Parts: sequence; structure tokens; C-alpha cells
Amino acid sequence: DAKTTQPPSMDCAEGRAANLPCNHSTISGNEYVYWYRQIHSQGPQYIIHGLKNNETNEMASLIITEDRKSSTLILPHATLRDTAVYYCIATPLWNAGNMLTFGGGTRLMVKP
Amino acid sequence: DTGVSQDPRHKITKRGQNVTFRCDPISEHNRLYWYRQTLGQGPEFLTYFQNEAQLEKSRLLSDRFSAERPKGSFSTLEIQRTEQGDSAMYLCASSEGRNEQFFGPGTRLTVL
Repeated sequence: DAKTTQPPSMDCAEGRAANLPCNHSTISGNEYVYWYRQIHSQGPQYIIHGLKNNETNEMASLIITEDRKSSTLILPHATLRDTAVYYCIATPLWNAGNMLTFGGGTRLMVKP
Repeated sequence: DTGVSQDPRHKITKRGQNVTFRCDPISEHNRLYWYRQTLGQGPEFLTYFQNEAQLEKSRLLSDRFSAERPKGSFSTLEIQRTEQGDSAMYLCASSEGRNEQFFGPGTRLTVL
């Protein structure tokens, strides 16, 4: 798996967009970018994944740069319930069904 | 509730005792994973099953740890001769093939 680098913490105002960056400069062509989050005292929760095209679902949008060396997870209208640790993982699709390698993640604090 | 369930949610034991945790995955999911998470860190992969076959084990899974999934449904994780360093949150996840993993709430183990 490619190494990912995320800021350890970020703040966001409630109702504003939260933009969480992830650097994965050594990502290889077959590695997807996955995002999970972990709300306090809960297990991680899948958010979204992508290979090279931008992706959007009901939870978030994933923007991957053209060179695929970095990506941004966007929560368009953050709420207090989005306060969590967000993990960015780069891994081949075949391995995502085997094991996930979590780094330290970004602790997002959404403030009223 | 049709999510991943884990039992017990909390376990306190004395050093040297054996403990066993249970995980019930989402019913149609053929893959089941175990992770361990210590305070302030991301989850670390321990092992995973496809149906009843244990396909991969991390080096973190010492010989005191054993996991089973006898009928390809629920799974148990046993730790023998617990040590204080085993204190952690033990997370179970399941997936349908290589799709996203769904995590349970975890079992918090405290070894005194």
C-alpha cells in the first residue's frame, strides 16, 4: 500500500464544507483511494473510494488530482455529527478485500 | 439491527487469564476481519476469513491469539494468557467479497 499523509487535526464550522486533504505521492496505478471515518467509541465507517475520477455519494465527494498524488475528501455541509477521525487509505482493489492499513488519520472537529 | 455485532462490548480481566470475543457479521457477507486498535492509533489488521477459511494472519497475531469461523458465519477471537499489552479495542468487520468493510462497535479489553 502507498503511504498516505494527512494533517493530524482540522476544525470546521458547522454548515460549512469540510475539505480533508490526503497526500499519496507514491501511489501506483492500480491503487484506489479509500476513505473511512471513525466516530468516537464506534467502529470505522466506509465513506467513499475512487481510482482516478472524482466520485460523489450521499455522504461526501472525493476529488483526486490528475497525477493522483493527492486527494481531498469533501463533506459539503458539515454537521456536529461529522466530528470524527478520517482515514485515507491507498490500496489495490484486491487488497481492500483482504486488509486495510490505517494510518493516524485526521481528527476533524466540527464546531457550532 | 442488521449490522455487525460484537460481544461483549467490554471485558476486564486479570493478566494470565484467557478471554474469548465473538463477532456476528452481516448475514450475507462472506469475508470477516479482525483488527486491534490502541488508544490514539488507527486500527491494525490481525486476520481475515473468507467463509470458514482463515486466509491471512498478521505478524501481530502471536501464538497466544487464535481466531475461528467454524461454519462461515460468526467468528471468535481467543487470547490466551493475556498480558497488559493486549489491552485494546478489538474490532470486527465484514464484507461481501472485496466490497467495503462494515465494522462492528468493537470489544474493549482491559487487562489488569
